[in-house]
Amino acid sequence: GDSVTQMEGPVTLSEEAFLTINCTYTATGYPSLFWYVQYPGEGLQLLLKATKADDKGSNKGFEATYRKETTSFHLEKGSVQVSDSAVYFCALSPHQGAQKLVFGQGTRLTINP
Amino acid sequence: DAGVIQSPRHEVTEMGQEVTLRCKPISGHDYLFWYRQTMMRGLELLIYFNNNVPIDDSGMPEDRFSAKMPNASFSTLKIQPSEPRDSAVYFCASTIEGAGNTIYFGEGSWLTVV
Repeated sequence: GDSVTQMEGPVTLSEEAFLTINCTYTATGYPSLFWYVQYPGEGLQLLLKATKADDKGSNKGFEATYRKETTSFHLEKGSVQVSDSAVYFCALSPHQGAQKLVFGQGTRLTINP
Repeated sequence: DAGVIQSPRHEVTEMGQEVTLRCKPISGHDYLFWYRQTMMRGLELLIYFNNNVPIDDSGMPEDRFSAKMPNASFSTLKIQPSEPRDSAVYFCASTIEGAGNTIYFGEGSWLTVV
């Protein structure tokens, strides 16, 4: 079945460091890919998404590129801030029109000043 | 615009008691989801509705769990009887056809069963 695998956390970085959180997926067909972020005590919020191969999603300085050849959607940010501390979830929607999401296990990110 | 509204935000109950979690989706949305989040299993989709009709309930753990959506603006997730292993954060989420699979989450109901 469809699944998402994220790099294990927790991840701890210093402010202004470069961030990569790896995400790979298994799916039949052509899924859409997402990154959601969960701040402490809150629900999940969409961070960015990409709906087809080679698309790049970006938001708030974060980027991720849909790589069909490697079935990956790694999240990157060039210079992290303390306010980026949160749990990040990679997710897929099995195909266009399928409304449900399959989530990875989440990666907890802590940024120290 | 109001987002997805869940109640209660926090609930502590004793084993064996009935628990009812409530959700009001974003107005106009035609899909509603119930997710459960635990440290051990992460985020699990329990059930989702389209136009108030349950589409996929394969994630509902067992018969103790039931979900209803009597109208487009209200859904409930009920656990009866509750057990300590049901302790988790339960999220409701909604979306609308044509939203590009973007799903909007509520802030969650934090359930502790003692």
